Amino acid sequence: AQKITQTQPGMFVQEKEAVTLDCTYDTSDQSYGLFWYKQPSSGEMIFLIYQGSYDEQNATEGRYSLNFQKARKSANLVISASQLGDSAMYFCAMTVHSGGGADGLTFGKGTHLIIQP
Amino acid sequence: GAGVSQSPSNKVTEKGKDVELRCDPISGHTALYWYRQSLGQGLEFLIYFQGNSAPDKSGLPSDRFSAERTGGSVSTLTIQRTQQEDSAVYLCASSPHGTATNEKLFFGSGTQLSVL
Repeated sequence: AQKITQTQPGMFVQEKEAVTLDCTYDTSDQSYGLFWYKQPSSGEMIFLIYQGSYDEQNATEGRYSLNFQKARKSANLVISASQLGDSAMYFCAMTVHSGGGADGLTFGKGTHLIIQP
Repeated sequence: GAGVSQSPSNKVTEKGKDVELRCDPISGHTALYWYRQSLGQGLEFLIYFQGNSAPDKSGLPSDRFSAERTGGSVSTLTIQRTQQEDSAVYLCASSPHGTATNEKLFFGSGTQLSVL
């Protein structure tokens, strides 16, 4: 079974600074996908960025980038120029293929990010 | 609708009662997932539907939990004889196919269940 570890329960960051949220994963599958979701206080999960296990380049989506280090099984999220609206819970997640069909996303416990003015 | 819709948004029930939670996925999405999020925790996978069938029920925590999906669309999660530890936010998500590792999930806003 796969596992996601997020070691930062909470972070305080000054507005406009860059933020790195840590995520490590464990799986024996060779084919997998890594995701980051944002959950603001409203509760809805918002997709941010995706990285495939065979992708050679790090994924980027606007201010979000994913620092993918496959050998270390690490998939850290980097938010550049943080904004007050970035304050939320952030979840790292993965999905794998095992014998056909997609398993449900496995989520980490999340990091509560607070951006301070 | 444009997104995943869940109802009710909040449900307060007494211990021992049965509850039904509803999820209406994005039209055309064949894959549907249920997750549970306890306070301060990550999301716990419950069940996955591909069309009307549920190839993966491994996450259901006990036989008090069941789910069905009819017409490849709406899904209902039923919790029988609710216990206080069932209190959580129940999130539903859908995706177009559910068979690819790069397929992102679209989430509803969840049902906050409180068992007194």
